[in-house]
Order: sequence, then C-alpha cells, then structure tokens
Amino acid sequence: SQKIEQNSEALNIQEGKTATLTCNYTNYSPAYLQWYRQDPGRGPVFLLLIRENEKEKRKERLKVTFDTTLKQSLFHITASQPADSATYLCALGALHSKLIFGTGTLLAVQP
Amino acid sequence: GAVVSQHPSWVICKSGTSVKIECRSLDFQATTMFWYRQFPKQSLMLMATSNEGSKATYEQGVEKDKFLINHASLTLSTLTVTSAHPEDSSFYICSASPLMSSGANVLTFGAGSRLTVL
Repeated sequence: SQKIEQNSEALNIQEGKTATLTCNYTNYSPAYLQWYRQDPGRGPVFLLLIRENEKEKRKERLKVTFDTTLKQSLFHITASQPADSATYLCALGALHSKLIFGTGTLLAVQP
Repeated sequence: GAVVSQHPSWVICKSGTSVKIECRSLDFQATTMFWYRQFPKQSLMLMATSNEGSKATYEQGVEKDKFLINHASLTLSTLTVTSAHPEDSSFYICSASPLMSSGANVLTFGAGSRLTVL
C-alpha cells in the first residue's frame, strides 16, 4: 500500500539556520507533491507545490526539491525564525485524485 | 486568496447527541469538499468527499450513517456526527479546492472543529 514517511521526531534548530525536512514515499508515483504548514489547533495552510517533472521550487525563504528516483522530497527553510515553528505536512497527489498526507514533522526554531 | 470558513471551532456535547459542523467556501465555488479527521500527532485521515448535489463518497471504514454529509450548495457542506460517543472526539477539518487547470488539488482548509464528547 502507499506509504508516506516524514521525520517522526521533532526537529529543533537555532534561529537563522536552515531547517531541512524530509518526505519519503513508497508504492506510489505521484504527479505532484505539496507541502503544508499546520499550527496547533488549526487547519493546514498550503505552502508549495512541485510537479514530477520539476526538480526544485522556491518561494521566498522556502525551497522544495523532488527526486522521483529516490522517491523523496526535501523541504528547506532558510534563515529560520521562531515564527516558522509549526508542523509541516507533505502530501502526494495524482491528477484528479485525492491527496495523501504524511504524518508531519514538528519544527521548533529556538531564538 | 481562497478562504474556507468552518464552524464551530470547538464543541462539547453529551454522549448520544448529534453535532453539525459547517464548512463554507467564501470566495469561490466548490463542487467538491473534503472532510478529514485528525488525532493528536497523526496524519489527516480523509473521511469522505462531499459532492454538490449528490451523495458523498466515503472512505473505507467510515460509517456513512454515523457521519452524515450534506452538500446542498456550491459553497456549503455540512458534517453531522450522529449519536456521538466519546470515541468520536477528534479534530475535524474540512477543505475545498479551487481546482487548478492542471488537475492538481491545492487544498484550502478550514480552521478545524474540535469535538469533545462527554
């Protein structure tokens, strides 16, 4: 069955450093991959989408890579800030089909 | 940008009662809305896909008579948890998608509804 794995343990980093979160998947060939941010007690918020034919996508301090050979996506936040502390979810999708979410990685940026 | 409003944000009810949660797309029309359930430190679990003007599509293992979904208009879907029990206590989140021309579902989520059944 399809499986998505994200770092199960919380990621603690120092303010100003680059945070790197990992999303690995098996038994799936997604057409695209998305990253969402979720704050406690709130719904997720869409951040970035990257398609299977794209290697990298950037948006301000965010960068996403997508390696369909390794079946992995990396999500980077450069110059991290305490306000970036949240849970980050990756989600896989195929055209016109439902998204499948990972369990998320909790990021804590220490001032 | 697309906004989805969900109400109530939290609700406490007695066991055996029914609770209705509303999900509205405020600035776009949504023929399809999605209802998720999330337990602490776990992933979003899709419960059902709500289709405007037709029956909802439920995921395997989700009781359709327990979780009633109505999608009567292009901007409103409701989830009713019938005869709620403590094990139904959870965080329920709805979402909708202004579908991209490429077919990719970029979801806009509501703020979620925390249900506690006593």
